[in-house]
Amino acid sequence: QQQVKQSPQSLIVQKGGISIINCAYENTAFDYFPWYQQFPGKGPALLIAIRPDVSEKKEGRFTISFNKSAKQFSLHIMDSQPGDSATYFCAASRPNAGKSTFGDGTTLTVKP
Amino acid sequence: NAGVTQTPKFQVLKTGQSMTLQCAQDMNHEYMSWYRQDPGMGLRLIHYSVGAGITDQGEVPNGYNVSRSTTEDFPLRLLSAAPSQTSVYFCASSPRTGNYGYTFGSGTRLTVV
Repeated sequence: QQQVKQSPQSLIVQKGGISIINCAYENTAFDYFPWYQQFPGKGPALLIAIRPDVSEKKEGRFTISFNKSAKQFSLHIMDSQPGDSATYFCAASRPNAGKSTFGDGTTLTVKP
Repeated sequence: NAGVTQTPKFQVLKTGQSMTLQCAQDMNHEYMSWYRQDPGMGLRLIHYSVGAGITDQGEVPNGYNVSRSTTEDFPLRLLSAAPSQTSVYFCASSPRTGNYGYTFGSGTRLTVV
């Protein structure tokens, strides 16, 4: 049973465009929703995260939008750059669980 | 501040051999986890720990053992390597409270022949 569903599997965006990756979750006990960025040959790195008490969080060109009633959250990358080309994972955690549930990942390619 | 350190970075094993993948963190994080990453399959949880002396199975635990004798270290043991265990293995740690996003290690690329 996959508790976090991520889409699309791959995404191609032109430089300067907006990249949007979506995730949906099932367990309403989740209270922490991070996004990770992974470059080839590297480990994932925490990019930005949100809690369900806010609907949006912005850090530079990266924004998380959160819809608690729909149990969905998304990552928006504004003014996408070739250096943003990477695999992005959404995840969800619940308190004291000691583990996270990950989406399957989205491979983003930003064309110059 | 080293973060999460994994060794070795690369390893080739013969079928049936055993080995231990090392993981150490210096951030005093309570939680530690092992994931494997295969092409097209995302990150799959092998084992995790919520503190020293406490471990639990993830979604793909078969063929692997773990122990957590200290807060810092969380080694992963392959008991009898199989070609299906060819993968990239990531160790990760997070604090128990606050913003508990993971810090990942740089990974171990394992090939079983």
